[in-house]
Formats: sequence, structure tokens, C-alpha cells
Amino acid sequence: EVQLVESGGGLVQPGGSLRLSCAASGFTFSTYAMSWVRQAPGKGLEWVSAISSSGGSTYYADSVRGQFTISRDNSKNTVYLQMNSLRAADTAVYYCALITRGAEGYWGQGTLVTVSS
Amino acid sequence: IQLTQSPSFLSASVGDRVTITCRASQDIRTYLAWYQQRPGKAPKLLIYAASTLQSGVPSRFSGSGSGTEFTLTISSLQPEDFATYYCQQLNSYPLYSFGQGTKLEIK
Repeated sequence: EVQLVESGGGLVQPGGSLRLSCAASGFTFSTYAMSWVRQAPGKGLEWVSAISSSGGSTYYADSVRGQFTISRDNSKNTVYLQMNSLRAADTAVYYCALITRGAEGYWGQGTLVTVSS
Repeated sequence: IQLTQSPSFLSASVGDRVTITCRASQDIRTYLAWYQQRPGKAPKLLIYAASTLQSGVPSRFSGSGSGTEFTLTISSLQPEDFATYYCQQLNSYPLYSFGQGTKLEIK
């Protein structure tokens, strides 16, 4: 069974940083690209970032490019999202996701990031 | 690639047949998925490759379309179907984007 478990969310002041982690199990982690998707309170889904299976290629939404950094450790079956210079607009539930063009559409339970003074 | 869903809100009754449309700003072939999201929960994959039903999803859900226009149909609404539905394009995978969502409410 595929499991994705996010951690690292919480309350942070504007301008602060957080690192989210996503521990994966139940599939061969090193063969899949992974991504992060966020959902602001009461809003829709926004793709944030993705990383290739090897970690050699990374992709970002325009809204977070230069602010967030995605990485992965295939020895630990974990993907990370380093978030810097946080602002109120970054307040959201952040989901880790294993998504492909096929039948893989797995999401974690999400971790809430609140940016507020 | 922009995805536009219509309607944004839909009020219907148990047993009704409903259709949600998703239009893409450019040709995405059949790289389209549909998700259902209930309040406080992660999205759940219903349909992938525009028309393939995900394992375990009831057959009252169906998807169709290609290119720039797609539909999700629920043939006979059940109480558990009242939720928000999102389309997702994967033409530029691993980059992707979502429609703005359609909230399906009980009439």
C-alpha cells in the first residue's frame, strides 16, 4: 500500500523558513518523480514543485521559483520542500503527491503551514 | 496550460445525472485526470487518461474527451458524491495544473 506522510508544517513568522518532509513507502520510491501541491484555506489546488526520480531535475511554479527548493533522498525514501522568505500568501495545506499520467494518483494527508505574526 | 471548469458550483439531488466540463487552453491530448475532494481530506483520483476509471471507483463515474474539451459525468448521484471535483492536466508532466474546482452541493 502506498503511503505518503508529510511532516514539518506549523506556524512561522513572515520572512521565516520551514522544511517539509514526506516519507514514502509501499512503492519503489527511486523510480518515480514526486511533487508538492498546496491548497490555501478555502481555495483550489495549486501545483508547487516536482522532482525527477533521480533528483537531477527540479521544477517549480512561477509563484515559488527562487523561494522554495525541492530535494529528495532516495536512500531514505523521502522528499523535501525547503521554503524560505515565507509570506502570508504561502499559508496552505501542503500535500506530497505521487502522480503519473497513469493510475498513480496518491496523496499524503497534508501538513498545514501558517505564515503569520 | 490553463484549465477552466464549468460550472464552478452545481446544486443537484440524489439520483440526478450531472456533468462537469473542463476546457484546456491548448491541446492536451488525453492527459487529463479527475479528482474528488471531500472537506478536510486529500484529493482522490477518479479518472485518468481522460476516460479510464481508477480501480475501486464506482462505475457511475465516467470521463470523456480529448484535445481541449473534457467531461466528467456522474450517472446517478449518491449522498457520498457531494464534494468538490478538480480536473488536472498532465500534458507537460511532471509539471501539471488543476482547474479551479466544481463544488457539487445537495439541492
